[in-house]
Amino acid sequence: EVQLVESGGGLVKPGGSLRLSCAASGFTFSSYSMNWVRQAPGKGLEWVSSISSSSSYIYYADSVKGRFTISRDNAKNSLYLQMNSLRAEDTAVYYCARGPAGPYYFDYWGQGTLVTVSS
Amino acid sequence: SYVLTQPPSVSVAPGQTARITCGGNNIGSKSVHWYQQKPGQAPVLVVYDDSDRPSGIPERFSGSNSGNTATLTISRVEAGDEADYYCQVWDSSSDHPGVFGGGTKLTVL
Repeated sequence: EVQLVESGGGLVKPGGSLRLSCAASGFTFSSYSMNWVRQAPGKGLEWVSSISSSSSYIYYADSVKGRFTISRDNAKNSLYLQMNSLRAEDTAVYYCARGPAGPYYFDYWGQGTLVTVSS
Repeated sequence: SYVLTQPPSVSVAPGQTARITCGGNNIGSKSVHWYQQKPGQAPVLVVYDDSDRPSGIPERFSGSNSGNTATLTISRVEAGDEADYYCQVWDSSSDHPGVFGGGTKLTVL
């Protein structure tokens, strides 16, 4: 059974940093692209970032480029999102999602971790 | 950047057919994917590559894509289909390729 479990969310002050993790199991992690998608309270889904299976290709939304860094450790079956210079508008539930055929769509999702940016 | 436009809400009676549209410039040239999200839950992929269904998704869910509009069709709507639905594309020509529509709230009357 495919499982994606996010962790690392919490309350952080504007300008602060946070590192999210996603632990994957039930599939060959190193064979799949992985993605982060977020959802602000009461709002729609927003794609954040994608990374290819070997980390050769990385993409970011314009809203986070230069502040967020996606990475992965295939030996640990883990995906990460380093978030720096956080802003109030980054407040959201952050989902980790698997990309079964490149990053083009997302077939399995974690339950999400809430990041709140507030003073 | 590429923009996907969805109606904020669609209402349908049980047993009827719901159609949720997703508009985009020449969207017919792209692959469109659809997600269902119920309150407090993570999204679930219901249609990928315009019209394919993941295993476990009922045949009542179908998709089409042509011209400037993609459509998710839900036949014989049930109360359990009430949810938010999002379309999504991967715009390979963009530096920021992941794009979601704004979402459509499906209400079952």
